[in-house]
Amino acid sequence: GESVGLHLPTLSVQEGDNSIINCAYSNSASDYFIWYKQESGKGPQFIIDIRSNMDKRQGQRVTVLLNKTVKHLSLQIAATQPGDSAVYFCAENGYNQGGKLIFGQGTELSVKP
Amino acid sequence: GAGVSQSPSNKVTEKGKDVELRCDPISGHTALYWYRQSLGQGLEFLIYFQGNSAPDKSGLPSDRFSAERTGGSVSTLTIQRTQQEDSAVYLCASSLDRGRPNTIYFGEGSWLTVV
Repeated sequence: GESVGLHLPTLSVQEGDNSIINCAYSNSASDYFIWYKQESGKGPQFIIDIRSNMDKRQGQRVTVLLNKTVKHLSLQIAATQPGDSAVYFCAENGYNQGGKLIFGQGTELSVKP
Repeated sequence: GAGVSQSPSNKVTEKGKDVELRCDPISGHTALYWYRQSLGQGLEFLIYFQGNSAPDKSGLPSDRFSAERTGGSVSTLTIQRTQQEDSAVYLCASSLDRGRPNTIYFGEGSWLTVV
């Protein structure tokens, strides 16, 4: 069935380094992808999104890359900070599905000072 | 309040009991969603309300689960005859309309433990 999955369950980086979190998706009909950040005890928080007609989108210190050929999504965080420590989820959405999202398992990012 | 409010924040219940979880969406948001998050897992879609339309219940795992939304605002998720596998965080979210998820705001969730 449809699924969105992550390659790495945990990622540990040094403060100031760049982080890359990867995600694979299986539904080729998905046309919208989102990255969420979830801190302990809180709900997911939107970080950045990308539509399927794009292959790259940049935000503040974050970049999302989409490779539709291999159904791969990544989140790059530049100059990672301790406040970036959280679980990161990718999610996919199909046309006309509103907020019905399919989430991946999540990657826990740990930033060492 | 400014955000999505959920109550209770924590609930411990005995197997077989019914529980009700409440969600107060952001004022003016017409769309409301319930997701479930098991320990160490991603979010699983449960149900979606949009305005006066019939809700999308396609994610409810069994007929023990039901939800309603009164007056287009507050929503209650009810789990009847709870089982241990129902233990999870139940997250509510709302958005302005049936738009794309970048307009969705999540609450902090209700932790349910069934013992």
